[in-house]
Amino acid sequence: KQEVTQIPAALSVPEGENLVLNCSFTDSAIYNLQWFRQDPGKGLTSLLLIQSSQREQTSGRLNASLDKSSGRSTLYIAASQPGDSATYLCAVWYMNRDDKIIFGKGTRLHILP
Amino acid sequence: NAGVTQTPKFRVLKTGQSMTLLCAQDMNHEYMYWYRQDPGMGLRLIHYSVGEGTTAKGEVPDGYNVSRLKKQNFLLGLESAAPSQTSVYFCASSYPWDRENTEAFFGQGTRLTVV
Repeated sequence: KQEVTQIPAALSVPEGENLVLNCSFTDSAIYNLQWFRQDPGKGLTSLLLIQSSQREQTSGRLNASLDKSSGRSTLYIAASQPGDSATYLCAVWYMNRDDKIIFGKGTRLHILP
Repeated sequence: NAGVTQTPKFRVLKTGQSMTLLCAQDMNHEYMYWYRQDPGMGLRLIHYSVGEGTTAKGEVPDGYNVSRLKKQNFLLGLESAAPSQTSVYFCASSYPWDRENTEAFFGQGTRLTVV
């Protein structure tokens, strides 16, 4: 079964620390991998999209990497801020599956002031 | 610059009532999706559409129907609401999956409570 797993489910870190969120997927045949942010009671905001031919993408303090062979992606957040507190979701666009986009259950991030 | 718009944002239904959720996108995307989000379950795909006039079942389609009569609109219907359908519903849209730089755009969600 094609799945997406995010570890850890929750994370609390002091402000200013660098941190890494993990996403693993079960099949290397993917189109894209997309990281989202979701604030409580809100919709999903796209952070970074990595195409299957790419190894990483960067936006400001965020860097996402992709290793298809090992079925892993990481989201690196530099110099964390309280405003980064949110749930981060990983979504994988599988090639060989009808509904294509599979989500992980997310990592709830809390940055301590 | 609306993107994906969902209507309504909140709704309370009684068991057995029916309703339709509307999703509209202004990005000329071919693909549209309906997800539900529940605590501990993550986002699960209900139905999706790869073009006007086409729909397909996702992971949790039972109790829901959809229609895509116009490219920009994707409707989700509940014929006879049940408490188990209490959830937050998200609509999304995208270009075809194999197009370069395709990404999914999401609406702000509809919070539905069935009592």
